Amino acid sequence: SQQGEEDPQALSIQEGENATMNCSYKTSINNLQWYRQNSGRGLVHLILIRSNEREKHSGRLRVTLDTSKKSSSLLITASRAADTASYFCARLYSSASKIIFGSGTRLSIRP
Amino acid sequence: EPEVTQTPSHQVTQMGQEVILRCVPISNHLYFYWYRQILGQKVEFLVSFYNNEISEKSEIFDDQFSVERPDGSNFTLKIRSTKLEDSAMYFCASSSRGQGITEAFFGQGTRLTVV
Repeated sequence: SQQGEEDPQALSIQEGENATMNCSYKTSINNLQWYRQNSGRGLVHLILIRSNEREKHSGRLRVTLDTSKKSSSLLITASRAADTASYFCARLYSSASKIIFGSGTRLSIRP
Repeated sequence: EPEVTQTPSHQVTQMGQEVILRCVPISNHLYFYWYRQILGQKVEFLVSFYNNEISEKSEIFDDQFSVERPDGSNFTLKIRSTKLEDSAMYFCASSSRGQGITEAFFGQGTRLTVV
């Protein structure tokens, strides 16, 4: 199967703490993207990391990619209540004209 | 900021009826997609569309589904004879290049409820 998994499935942390979510996949990818989805809403693109990149930053977000381990992580620093959402990693595989979403991590930020 | 818009936001239909979900992609984008998300489950790829034809489709996208770009702005998903299991959020997306090379922009979704 091309699909991997995010872990944890659910994460609850205190506001101000850092949140780390992980994503694993099974076959070689061209790039990996992270999306956020607020409850019942659409998907918002957060960050894209290419297969030849190891780390990328965007504001409070830091994404890493380890192609040898076929895994990626999303770190949200100094979390805020507004970060409460589901986070998905999505993989583009070579020759594909689509991306494949994982199951997602439900992040809850406690005030 | 340009955005993908989808209408309606919520559609209720009787089993066996045809539905058309509408999307207006970002104006200079060339690649269009439909995804669906059954409540509490993964976001699943349905179909990609480029240059007025389907580029790729999933196993879900069977003969009851079709897509069309009837004019220069709309991109539609038709479900010919809806089933209960078609109840889901349907997301349209567009990108300026092949998805995954650049980010894809998603609409807010249409919640389809088949009764």
